[in-house]
Amino acid sequence: DQQVKQNSPSLSVQEGRISILNCDYTNSMFDYFLWYKKYPAEGPTFLISISSIKDKNEDGRFTVFLNKSAKHLSLHIVPSQPGDSAVYFCAASGNDYKLSFGAGTTVTVRA
Amino acid sequence: DAGVIQSPRHEVTEMGQEVTLRCKPISGHDYLFWYRQTMMRGLELLIYFNNNVPIDDSGMPEDRFSAKMPNASFSTLKIQPSEPRDSAVYFCASSLFGTGSYNEQFFGPGTRLTVL
Repeated sequence: DQQVKQNSPSLSVQEGRISILNCDYTNSMFDYFLWYKKYPAEGPTFLISISSIKDKNEDGRFTVFLNKSAKHLSLHIVPSQPGDSAVYFCAASGNDYKLSFGAGTTVTVRA
Repeated sequence: DAGVIQSPRHEVTEMGQEVTLRCKPISGHDYLFWYRQTMMRGLELLIYFNNNVPIDDSGMPEDRFSAKMPNASFSTLKIQPSEPRDSAVYFCASSLFGTGSYNEQFFGPGTRLTVL
């Protein structure tokens, strides 16, 4: 039972353009959301997070938007760079300190 | 800090053999997590510990899987006997409650397990 869903398995974007990754969740008890980035042969690394009391959080080129009513969040990368090519995982947590992950979206940034 | 350390990085074994995966969390972290990544199920939590005590093992697929944390700096995930469907990448992660981004977990590089 996937509580966190990333429906786009892959995304290709030109360098300098915006990358938009989407994530949907079903559990209304989730109150904290994170994005992780993963390169091949490495473990996932934390990228950015957002609490359910906010609707936007920005960190440099990365911005996460949360729409609680729609149970939807998105990650914007502007501008996209070749080093951003990786797999991006959306994750969510409630009060039990566990993370539920989506299946991931593979981003390819074309030169 | 060296980060989360996992060994071995790759393991190839035959069906029926015992497999032991090892993890050294970041020093001072009080939570340790074991995950499995497969194409079919993505990244799924198997078990997690708090202060060396198992808190939730509901993600452990079968009795063939067991995990221990004898001290704050070491944990093992054991599969006995192993089966081909156990082939996956196994990640260990650790975190420190109350610091940094809430629930930020630091992952190790993973162990790629292949059961023939």
